[in-house]
Order: sequence, then structure tokens, then C-alpha cells
Amino acid sequence: DSGVTQTPKHLITATGQRVTLRCSPRSGDLSVYWYQQSLDQGLQFLIQYYNGEERAKGNILERFSAQQFPDLHSELNLSSLELGDSALYFCASSVGDSGTGNQPQHFGDGTRLSIL
Amino acid sequence: ELKVEQNPLFLSMQEGKNYTIYCNYSTTSDRLYWYRQDPGKSLESLFVLLSNGAVKQEGRLMASLDTKARLSTLHITAAVHDLSATYFCAVDPSTGNQFYFGTGTSLTVIP
Repeated sequence: DSGVTQTPKHLITATGQRVTLRCSPRSGDLSVYWYQQSLDQGLQFLIQYYNGEERAKGNILERFSAQQFPDLHSELNLSSLELGDSALYFCASSVGDSGTGNQPQHFGDGTRLSIL
Repeated sequence: ELKVEQNPLFLSMQEGKNYTIYCNYSTTSDRLYWYRQDPGKSLESLFVLLSNGAVKQEGRLMASLDTKARLSTLHITAAVHDLSATYFCAVDPSTGNQFYFGTGTSLTVIP
């Protein structure tokens, strides 16, 4: 158990809809990272937050947004969903900011999103 | 753009054999991580390599880092079926704020 909690585990919805994925980091971790994993794209970094502030953006679509709340949990919002958004979405957390520490990222179990 | 390449992408090996997975990256970095992922599961941290020449070993797996060559290796000794999984390396560059993951190496150990 990594200590990172993601909900829901599975999500099935239709094209055009909007969903919210939730992540609670490990106790004491200030950074939260979101990743998308699909068969054709591999593991893609989406966005990182550190102590409530956005720190880095990767290949995140404009239809996607995220935020980190004062209690450090994070939400990833996906809107106007398309078939190609079907993937496994991981949240990871770490103690410090990326590039400043020596700790690995700890991954949650992921949310499997299926678009019908 | 930073690139992290793993070789091979797919590896099928017999139990008892040795093999090495390679991870090449295109930027300056002193920090490299190895992860394991079982099908449909999360990523599990295996090794943290923090300096040039770092070597870590856990069971049948040994990881090393050569920052001058921008190369890390994951060596498998006397493979067993339980090692079947996908292995990722990830680079934490000296500048910037994100991990860059390799393409992954899917390892299948055949009894």
C-alpha cells in the first residue's frame, strides 16, 4: 500500500460528459502528480502541484484541469470527454518538489476511465 | 525535449537466465528511479539512484547509474517467473519540475 488513495477505481461514462477524479496523497507529501496511461501513448505526465500551487504542466489537454486544495488532496477534471480519453489515470505524490529532493514518487492504484 | 529511451521494449527470457535492461536519457540528471508495474496495477518504486556510479541491489535485481553516459541499467540475475512485469525508468532532471518516464520494458519470464 503506497498510501496514495484514488477514487473512484472505475468510471464509465459517455462522450461529451464531464468527470472528476480524486486523489489523496500520502501523509506528509506536498507534491501531487497526475499521469495518463494508455496502450498507445504509454505513461504521460499531465500536471504537478506542490503545496497548492501548479508547478509543471505536461501533455495536458485544454479540456482537462486540475487543482490541489488546502488539505493537499487533488482533483483532476476531464470535460467534453472523447473516446480517446479512455485510459488509466494515476495520481502520485512525493514529499518535496520535483527536482529538489531524493524521494521517488509514490503511485496510487489509478482510476480506470472508460468512455462509451 | 527530454527523451528517455528503454531497450528492449519487450523481453522474453527463460527462468534462470541473466539479462540487462537499458535506460538512456538526453539531459543532465543525477536522479534516476526504477519502477515495476504488474498488469492493470499501480507502479511500485524499486530503486532510487542519486549519484554517478550509484549501484543498488534488491534480490535478483541490480540497478546502476552512469550520469556521464546518461545511462542506467537494470540487471536481472537468474530470472524467476515472479519477475514478469513492466519496468520503467524515470529521470528527474536537474532543472524543471517533472519526472520523465521511459517507454517501459515488458518482461516475461518463461518457466
